[in-house]
This record gives sequence, C-alpha cells and structure tokens, in this order.
Amino acid sequence: EVQLVQSGAEVKKPGESLKISCKGSGYRFTSYRIGWVRQMPGKGLEWMGIIYPADSDTRYSPPFQGQVSISVDKSISTAYLQWSSLKASDTAMYYCARRYCIAATCYWGFDYWGQGTLVTVSS
Amino acid sequence: QSVLTQPASMSGSPGQSITISCTGTNSDIGGNNFVSWYQQYPGKAPKLMIFDVNNRPSGVSNRFFGSKSGNTASLTISGLQAEDEADYYCSSYTTSNTWMFGGGTKLTVL
Repeated sequence: EVQLVQSGAEVKKPGESLKISCKGSGYRFTSYRIGWVRQMPGKGLEWMGIIYPADSDTRYSPPFQGQVSISVDKSISTAYLQWSSLKASDTAMYYCARRYCIAATCYWGFDYWGQGTLVTVSS
Repeated sequence: QSVLTQPASMSGSPGQSITISCTGTNSDIGGNNFVSWYQQYPGKAPKLMIFDVNNRPSGVSNRFFGSKSGNTASLTISGLQAEDEADYYCSSYTTSNTWMFGGGTKLTVL
C-alpha cells in the first residue's frame, strides 16, 4: 500500500529553524516526484515546490524560492521541507504529495497525499 | 502569486449537475493540457479527481467530468450527492515551468 507519512505538528517561535518530513512507503520512492503544498488557515492550496528524488532536481514556485528548502534522503525514502528562520506568516498546514504516474508515464496530478503537518509559529 | 480564478462558492440540489469553472491565461490553462482537479473535505488532504484535463484516476466516480476550452477549464459533477459537498481546486502547469492552484470553490449540496 502506497503511503506518505508526515512528521507531527510543530509549534515554533519566529526566527527558529524547522525541518518537516514526508516518508514514502509501498512504492519505489526514487521514481516519483514529490510536491509540497501550503494551506494557510482557512485559505486555499499553494504549490511550494517539487523534487525528483532520483537526482534531487528541485523546482520552486516563485513565491517560495529562497524562503524554503526542499530535499530528500533516498536511503530512507524521505522528503523534507525546511525553513532557516520562521515567520508568523509561515503558520499553515503543509502537505506532501506524490505525482501521478502509470508505468513510465507521468501526468499532471498528485495521487497520494500525506496527512499534513501543522506548523504554528507564534511568539 | 497569481492564481487561477474559480467561483468562491456554488450550490446545487441532489441529482442536479453543476459545473465549476477555472479561468487562467494563455500561459497556463490555455498553454497546455496539464490541468487537474482536487476535492478536499474539511481537515483532510486533497484527493485527485481529474488529471490532464479530462482523465479520471482509477476509483473516481464517472459522475466527475473534466473539460477545457481556451483559457478555461471546467469540472462538471453530475447527479449531485450529499457526499460531493467539499472544496474543489483546479491546478495547472504553466509555460514557465511553474504550477498554480485556483482559489478554490466551496460546493454546497442543498
């Protein structure tokens, strides 16, 4: 069974650093791109970036370029989303998701999602 | 960040059909066939309903139909059911190799 399991909720202070995780299982982790999505309280979905675990090729959505860092550790089938200095405006639910592929063909859609990690940044 | 334009809310009665629109530009929806739709219940992760404009993943009801004309993509839900009450988001790849979501549509089944 394909699963993406995210790390637990975090409460941080402004200026602190944070790294949240997304562990894939039940499939070949390196073969499927992983995307990260932000959802601020009561708001819509926003693409943050997408990483290809096989070679760590990463693309960021312009608003998030330089604001976060996306990485993977192939050895443990885990993707990460990292902040070096959190702001109150980073308070949100963060989801990871796997790009939809059938055999060797990938499509524009993300079929498996993590359960979400709630990040709260408050002084 | 610019987003794709969706109606903020829509409603329909059980059994009816509704169509949710998602309007972009020549640089996103109009520039490729990479449009997807997601259903999200409160407090839950999104679920992929449509990929590449008009394709349903295995397990998604055939009451959900995707289409596109010019710069506007649409999600039609036929035979509305109470369980369809949720938020719906469109998403498109862009010609500058970025991605975006629509602002989301809250669907109420009366």
